[in-house]
Amino acid sequence: DVVMTQTPVSLPVSLGGQASISCRSSQSLVHSNGNTYLHWYLQKPGQSPQLLIYRVSNRFSGVPDRFSGSGSGTDFTLKISRVEPEDLGDYYCLQSTHFPPTFGSGTKLEIK
Amino acid sequence: EVQLVESGGGLVQPGRSMKLSCAASGFTFSDYYMAWVRQAPKKGLEWVASISYEGSSTYYGDSVKGRFTISRDNAKSTLYLQMNSLRSEDTATYYCARPQGYWGQGVMVTVSS
Repeated sequence: DVVMTQTPVSLPVSLGGQASISCRSSQSLVHSNGNTYLHWYLQKPGQSPQLLIYRVSNRFSGVPDRFSGSGSGTDFTLKISRVEPEDLGDYYCLQSTHFPPTFGSGTKLEIK
Repeated sequence: EVQLVESGGGLVQPGRSMKLSCAASGFTFSDYYMAWVRQAPKKGLEWVASISYEGSSTYYGDSVKGRFTISRDNAKSTLYLQMNSLRSEDTATYYCARPQGYWGQGVMVTVSS
């Protein structure tokens, strides 16, 4: 299975500040069709995960442009600018290029 | 509006069975692969199973293969997860998902004597 290594485990940030989360895969996530199926989710306390970014850098419907995704191959990054209280929670990356789909272990974004 | 509503969870003894359901609305159910994902208490996310549009193809994670069965009824817009030979390590919140963008609110399954 593809191992997704997500760092950091915990990320204290100041409101209005910037956060960066890294996700590295044990093998390239470029599919044979040329697409890269790396996605980012936010799970707010007591809620189900919500999709933020799909296929590396595409914001899902309704996601503010404070969220941005980048990367290629095996290295990917989620950046959050101007952090707001509603951004707090657990962030997960997910790869669905290779079977089975695998998640990163999560990053808890909390207030400094 | 896409809605996924899980039901059927609860407390079950080890070795017994339980069947989860997920009622879908707001989209053409038969046009999408569907999946189940679970999350053990205070733990991360684990993909459990997926099913193709008509249900002809199914895929399972190693931890549930041979014990769980994913199925669907497109006429009822409903996804199912039949869970047999349940173990304590199957204790989790189970989410129904329409990959990748839509998830249900989740249903808790507790396997304990």
